[in-house]
Amino acid sequence: SQTIHQWPATLVQPVGSPLSLECTVEGTSNPNLYWYRQAAGRGLQLLFYSVGIGQISSEVPQNLSASRPQDRQFILSSKKLLLSDSGFYLCAWSVMSGRRGEQFFGPGTRLTVL
Amino acid sequence: AQSVTQPDIHITVSEGASLELRCNYSYGATPYLFWYVQSPGQGLQLLLKYFSGDTLVQGIKGFEAEFKRSQSSFNLRKPSVHWSDAAEYFCAVGVLDSSYKLIFGSGTRLLVRP
Repeated sequence: SQTIHQWPATLVQPVGSPLSLECTVEGTSNPNLYWYRQAAGRGLQLLFYSVGIGQISSEVPQNLSASRPQDRQFILSSKKLLLSDSGFYLCAWSVMSGRRGEQFFGPGTRLTVL
Repeated sequence: AQSVTQPDIHITVSEGASLELRCNYSYGATPYLFWYVQSPGQGLQLLLKYFSGDTLVQGIKGFEAEFKRSQSSFNLRKPSVHWSDAAEYFCAVGVLDSSYKLIFGSGTRLLVRP
């Protein structure tokens, strides 16, 4: 069966520090991968998605970036965090064929920028 | 533009009462529709999905949803709410442009009175 992992689970970082959040998927090949952010009391905002290694599409201009160095690995990064980067970051995967497009979510990373 | 509207930010119901959460979507093609549930500090879990066929779909935990094309709606229902149903609920529509992605509503927080 497929599983999705995110780490760390929680993170407290000072303003201006770098960020690296990791997401890995097991049990599937060539998934579509997604990064979402959920600010406190808000819905989900799609940040990035990837349809393959090295292929990244950005939905919202910001100081975050994403990379996909391996088929089942998706990394969210920042060189300098802002206070507004605080939130709950969710990674998700989907496969268009077979499962017909639902996304499966990881447990999330709670990021607090102080 | 594609969008999903959940008009109720909060809903409070008594345990054992029936529940209906509203969702309206805007999408030019035949929609793929989803309901997800999120417990505090957790990732999202898929409750049910609609792709085609029978407009009344059954999901996990006793939930169902009805697709009404004429009203562009996909409301979630449960005949008898349990205290453990208290959570945040998200409606989403699957869209395909340069790639496949989900557009989420802003969520409805369900509170259950004992």
